[in-house]
Amino acid sequence: DAGVTQSPTHLIKTRGQQVTLRCSPKSGHDTVSWYQQALGQGPQFIFQYYEEEERQRGNFPDRFSGHQFPNYSSELNVNALLLGDSALYLCASSPDVQGGQETQYFGPGTRLLVL
Amino acid sequence: LAKTTQPISMDSYEGQEVNITCSHNNIATNDYITWYQQFPSQGPRFIIQGYKTKVTNEVASLFIPADRKSSTLSLPRVSLSDTAVYYCLVGENYGQNFVFGPGTRLSVLP
Repeated sequence: DAGVTQSPTHLIKTRGQQVTLRCSPKSGHDTVSWYQQALGQGPQFIFQYYEEEERQRGNFPDRFSGHQFPNYSSELNVNALLLGDSALYLCASSPDVQGGQETQYFGPGTRLLVL
Repeated sequence: LAKTTQPISMDSYEGQEVNITCSHNNIATNDYITWYQQFPSQGPRFIIQGYKTKVTNEVASLFIPADRKSSTLSLPRVSLSDTAVYYCLVGENYGQNFVFGPGTRLSVLP
């Protein structure tokens, strides 16, 4: 049973470019969340997708957008890259549990470097 | 939105028991307490989750007092490979409420 997978593992871009990161959730999970983790800090919530729609969003600008596909996989897109977007981008998946606490399982992350 | 407070860092020696305490004074009725472990350049790994009293699994124990305003993660007989950052999170289901603080950097020494 594969866990959460992300691609690519590493990526180098220049300022102003656009990037797309990909995530496949753990088998049986239908909810995908994205996080940004700067060096030395805890992960910061970007947004969450469920049933192909953005369900919740953290404090990130519109340059950050996403998509979820019918097979529950997801993409994170970042436009007009800034140096400050350099970070580890984490994807987490979970089942949609009503009235309880869902456990999020994280992927290995994509390391993005913006030059 | 419950906020958590943990020690920034802790040192221990191999074979010792390590207890990391997290304060969450504003925890809500529906909030669960979840702990994650993270190694450098890897995604956080789920350790344990609880709502009240004590929870134990093959990796750790989680102690939660009756008022639920704090919790303690207990790692029995740590090894060098337990050197990592440990995060305490409090919240309900959705990602917006899944707020990571700076975590506790545990260093296990030989």
